[in-house]
Amino acid sequence: GAVVSQHPSWVICKSGTSVKIECRSLDFQATTMFWYRQFPKQSLMLMATSNEGSKATYEQGVEKDKFLINHASLTLSTLTVTSAHPEDSSFYICSASSWGLRETQYFGPGTRLLVL
Amino acid sequence: GENVEQHPSTLSVQEGDSAVIKCTYSDSASNYFPWYKQELGKGPQLIIDIRSNVGEKKDQRIAVTLNKTAKHFSLHITETQPEDSAVYFCAATPLLSGGSNYKLTFGKGTLLTVNP
Repeated sequence: GAVVSQHPSWVICKSGTSVKIECRSLDFQATTMFWYRQFPKQSLMLMATSNEGSKATYEQGVEKDKFLINHASLTLSTLTVTSAHPEDSSFYICSASSWGLRETQYFGPGTRLLVL
Repeated sequence: GENVEQHPSTLSVQEGDSAVIKCTYSDSASNYFPWYKQELGKGPQLIIDIRSNVGEKKDQRIAVTLNKTAKHFSLHITETQPEDSAVYFCAATPLLSGGSNYKLTFGKGTLLTVNP
């Protein structure tokens, strides 16, 4: 149980284009989803928190117009990197928690983004 | 806010030996402490967690201990195997009442290498 998937697992795009990453909870209802960014050999950096049907709450320093987050259903959240630039290249990971165990986060496998 | 320190940053052991990773936290309100294992190129996987109402929890070769007075918790892996090689992250969060989201504060990670 508690499986979270991400799609795509990796993506290469040209500078200036937008990229959408999907995060799905496969066997539970995710009342809250989190989006993280991870640089090589570093810890996870929380970008934003989203509750189903509500606007995402962004961490300080994260541009909400750059990283658009939608959490339209209890099993799906999307992160769209708009007008991507090479500095947006990173490993993006989502996590999800359910109402019954709100403190426990289950992570997806991550999406590797490379912007050329 | 919460601050989590994790040591050591790297740990190399021989197969069959034990490995111990230690974390300290600053916020006395924190009372949920998960440990994640992250293999190269993958998302973090929850391996064990502990809540502040217990001092120790064990799951086969993995155990976690918690000392709330000293504000530190540790991960113990016994009879290590090469497949235990990965980066391990500790984290902490307070268990808040109401509709609050539980944001995890992560340590910087420990790269564990188990040599055959």
